[in-house]
Amino acid sequence: GAVVSQHPSWVICKSGTSVKIECRSLDFQATTMFWYRQFPKQSLMLMATSNEGSKATYEQGVEKDKFLINHASLTLSTLTVTSAHPEDSSFYICSAPRGWEPQHFGDGTRLSIL
Amino acid sequence: QQQVKQSPQSLIVQKGGIPIINCAYENTAFDYFPWYQQFPGKGPALLIAIRPDVSEKKEGRFTISFNKSAKQFSLHIMDSQPGDSATYFCAAALGTDKLIFGTGTRLQVFP
Repeated sequence: GAVVSQHPSWVICKSGTSVKIECRSLDFQATTMFWYRQFPKQSLMLMATSNEGSKATYEQGVEKDKFLINHASLTLSTLTVTSAHPEDSSFYICSAPRGWEPQHFGDGTRLSIL
Repeated sequence: QQQVKQSPQSLIVQKGGIPIINCAYENTAFDYFPWYQQFPGKGPALLIAIRPDVSEKKEGRFTISFNKSAKQFSLHIMDSQPGDSATYFCAAALGTDKLIFGTGTRLQVFP
């Protein structure tokens, strides 16, 4: 069964609003989680590494003030897209390594900004 | 240095065929090479993974071949089925650190 859960799976909102996406590890603690963005028919692009209890590490070109990441507990990381615009519409996916196991991915969140 | 190159971009085979997807990397420090399968609207699911001390790994109908000297690895799908139609991504990483994904291969298996 799933070991990483994402919520919501799909969200539609108006331009200018902020949207929060949750990523939970279901049966393990994750001190690190990863956030990816995937445009249609493209690969996954790493946005940031979420670190429990400390600041996230953002990849080059990703605006940290636009994509706020909070990893307040060992089982939950959140990504908030602030003042979202149509160009932010994408598929957002999180993942978490479990021990020495490979990264387990959530089922993604489809974000549509009107 | 951090790129993973994947080919082909798309692949069409008949049921029973053996599609082969190839990947190449530059960073010799990578020590973990997984393959993921992704269906539309879903997150990637791990298929099979290999570490550089092994030249081949087989799990069910999926086989990874790994050539450390050439810095290349490939995925073979034996006896492919229509249900295997999906997008496949290779990736590389250092341990459980961030994954660097290839560009993806869209596979279609026709009955």
